[in-house]
Amino acid sequence: GNSVTQMEGPVTLSEEAFLTINCTYTATGYPSLFWYVQYPGEGLQLLLKATKADDKGSNKGFEATYRKETTSFHLEKGSVQVSDSAVYFCALSPYGGATNKLIFGTGTLLAVQP
Amino acid sequence: ETGVTQSPTHLIKTRGQQVTLRCSSQSGHNTVSWYQQALGQGPQFIFQYYREEENGRGNFPPRFSGLQFPNYSSELNVNALELDDSALYLCASSLDREDYEQYFGPGTRLTVT
Repeated sequence: GNSVTQMEGPVTLSEEAFLTINCTYTATGYPSLFWYVQYPGEGLQLLLKATKADDKGSNKGFEATYRKETTSFHLEKGSVQVSDSAVYFCALSPYGGATNKLIFGTGTLLAVQP
Repeated sequence: ETGVTQSPTHLIKTRGQQVTLRCSSQSGHNTVSWYQQALGQGPQFIFQYYREEENGRGNFPPRFSGLQFPNYSSELNVNALELDDSALYLCASSLDREDYEQYFGPGTRLTVT
């Protein structure tokens, strides 16, 4: 079946540190891959996406590359800010389904300290 | 452009009761999906409605049911509430059922006591 595994948190970093949050997936075919962010007390916001192998999604300094050979979609940012503190979810949408449903990982809490 | 809205924000119910949650989709969107997010977990897909018809369902029992109206707003109904139903319920709308970009509402926090 389809599933997403992401690294456990919390991840605690100092401001301006480099961020990596690992995400791997299991799926048949070519799913679309996403990173969503959830700020405290809010719903989910799409951070970035990639719809085919070797695509790089990027937004607000965050990047992730769709690696089919390693079934991974790791999130990176070169210099984090306190305002990046949130829960980050990796997700996939299965290929060829009748719906665009999302399958999420368990989330990784990022805490950035000044 | 109005985003996805959900009501109520918070709700407390007793085990065995029934609850209805509401969602207004973003303007122009004909597809609404519902997700359950338990504390400390990722959202789990409940079901999706496309043009007023159910268009896919996750691994949830039949006491979770839904409805989509001609204006594409939606309701999630849960009967015979159980303690494990306590969660944040998220609604997401998309332009179409094949459009990968979903826009989430702020959620309804349901507590079952």
